[in-house]
Amino acid sequence: DIVLTQSPATLSLSPGERATLSCGASQSVTASSLAWYQQKPGLAPRVLIYDASTRAPGIPDRFSGSGSGTDFTLTISRLEPEDFAVYYCQQYGSSPGTFGQGTKVEIK
Amino acid sequence: QVQLVQSGAELKKPGASVKVSCKASGYTFTSYGISWVRQAPGHGPEWVGWISAYSDDTNYAQKFQGRVTMTIDTSTSTAYMELKSLRSDDTAVYYCAREFRSSAWTPNWPDPWGQGTLITVSS
Repeated sequence: DIVLTQSPATLSLSPGERATLSCGASQSVTASSLAWYQQKPGLAPRVLIYDASTRAPGIPDRFSGSGSGTDFTLTISRLEPEDFAVYYCQQYGSSPGTFGQGTKVEIK
Repeated sequence: QVQLVQSGAELKKPGASVKVSCKASGYTFTSYGISWVRQAPGHGPEWVGWISAYSDDTNYAQKFQGRVTMTIDTSTSTAYMELKSLRSDDTAVYYCAREFRSSAWTPNWPDPWGQGTLITVSS
């Protein structure tokens, strides 16, 4: 199985700042088949980005994804109060699909 | 809008079984499959398995093989997941999520997700 390692575990930032989250894969992710999810307390994850860089419908353009192979990045250009949450990456290029352990973006 | 509504929380003893339901609405049920994903407290999501709503194909994660059974009732647009021989480390929130796959072995990104069902295993 492909292991996804997210860093940092916690990111402490202020509203308006830029957030950069990383996701590293233990082997190359086929066809950039990587998604990013946002999860708020008590709620289910919701997809933000799929195919490494395509925003899901309704997702604001301050969220962007990049990367290929084994290194992927989620960038939030300017943090809004509602963006403080936990973010997970998921690869679906190889079976089984696997998730990272998450990065918590908290208010500084 | 697409919606997945799951059954309520359950408390089970070790060794027991649990069956969780997931009722879909807002889309053509038989055009997609359903993935089940669990999330233990403080951990990332873990994929449990997938079932097609159009072919009855299934694909279970290896660690759950022999303990999990996924079924579909197309007449009610409902998916079910049964997990047997429960252990304390099965305690988690279990989510269903819509997921299209071209074959059972080619995963995709599941979306949207149900609200989750907390399964607690404790004596």
